[in-house]
Amino acid sequence: DIQMTQSPSSLSASVGDRVTITCRASQSITTYLNWYQQKPGKAPKLLIYAASSLRSGVPSRFSGSGSGTDFTLTISSLQPEDFATYYCQQSYSSPCSFGQGTKLEIK
Amino acid sequence: QVQLVESGGGVVQPGRSLRLSCAASGFTFSSYGMHWVRQAPGKGLDWVAVISYDGSNKYYGDSVKGRFTISRDNSKNTLYLQMNSLSDEDTAVYYCAKVNGDYVGPFDYWGQGTLVTVSS
Repeated sequence: DIQMTQSPSSLSASVGDRVTITCRASQSITTYLNWYQQKPGKAPKLLIYAASSLRSGVPSRFSGSGSGTDFTLTISSLQPEDFATYYCQQSYSSPCSFGQGTKLEIK
Repeated sequence: QVQLVESGGGVVQPGRSLRLSCAASGFTFSSYGMHWVRQAPGKGLDWVAVISYDGSNKYYGDSVKGRFTISRDNSKNTLYLQMNSLSDEDTAVYYCAKVNGDYVGPFDYWGQGTLVTVSS
């Protein structure tokens, strides 16, 4: 099974900051990497799929990059509504697997 | 618009069974794979099971294999999760999620979740 490791586990930042979250796979997953945002009490929402494709309707301040085993999610200028928990997920092989999450908090 | 609505959660004693349902609308249900994903209180996302668009392929996470069964009724646009031999480790919010493909791919739509609490 493929293990997904995110870093950091938590992050404090201010509105307007640029932040980057990293996700590493235990083996190559080419670009079968997706990013989700989850707010408390809500279901996750898909932000980025296939490592770098922005889902329709998602603000352009979100971007993804990487291939193989190393991936990043970048938020170019944090907005108040971006404070949430972010998960990466590999869809390269079954069982699909998620990273442990990165909680983005207001500094 | 796409809607996924879970039901069937509640409080159940250890060792007992429960069946969850996920009613789908707004898309051609019979064309897409469907998953169950769970989240224990305060924890991360844990993949549970997947079923292909026609029900011919099913896969399970190690923690539920042999105890849970995923199924679907394409005539009713409904996904199911039969959960047997429940333990307190199964306490979680259970989400159904749609993939934009046969049975693998990103989860493009999620339900609101249904809470299962296993407790004596």
